Amino acid sequence: GENVEQHPSTLSVQEGDSAVIKCTYSDSASNYFPWYKQELGKRPQLIIDIRSNVGEKKDQRIAVTLNKTAKHFSLHITETQPEDSAVYFCAASNSGNTPLVFGKGTRLSVIA
Amino acid sequence: DAGVIQSPRHEVTEMGQEVTLRCKPISGHNSLFWYRQTMMRGLELLIYFNNNVPIDDSGMPEDRFSAKMPNASFSTLKIQPSEPRDSAVYFCASSRTGYTGELFFGEGSRLTVL
Repeated sequence: GENVEQHPSTLSVQEGDSAVIKCTYSDSASNYFPWYKQELGKRPQLIIDIRSNVGEKKDQRIAVTLNKTAKHFSLHITETQPEDSAVYFCAASNSGNTPLVFGKGTRLSVIA
Repeated sequence: DAGVIQSPRHEVTEMGQEVTLRCKPISGHNSLFWYRQTMMRGLELLIYFNNNVPIDDSGMPEDRFSAKMPNASFSTLKIQPSEPRDSAVYFCASSRTGYTGELFFGEGSRLTVL
């Protein structure tokens, strides 16, 4: 089955700097890669997703890149703000055939 | 829409007791998921329903766990008997399009088994 590895497990950045979180997956058939943000004590919420037919997707300060050959994808947050502090989860699935498998999460702290 | 509604938000029980967690998905969503979150294991899928039918229950840890979805607007996750290692946050989520649609999570039910 699918296995998703996520790094780093914790990340601290200064406000205004960029943050990058990386994930690798094992199943070459996976083609859907969402990212969820979970603030302390709250529910996970989707912030961005990418499908295998594109290599990059942007939404304001957030971008995701996908390298299908290497089987890894990354989340990039630019101009970080304190409200970006949260746990971020990557996930992967094979569209419709297998459930989402989540990474273990990255705790991002943005220091003002 | 009120979103996915879970109850109870917090449950403290003693080992051996039965625990029932409840979920009301978003109206119109045909897929429902139960996840368990712990520090050690992260977010684990327990079971997935599509149109009220269990499709994938391979994540259900053992026979002590059972889940039902009697209709499109209600699901339960039952643990009987409960054990301390079941302590976790249990999330229910729903989506319009199964595995590759956005998951809308409930607030979660924090279970503590003493």
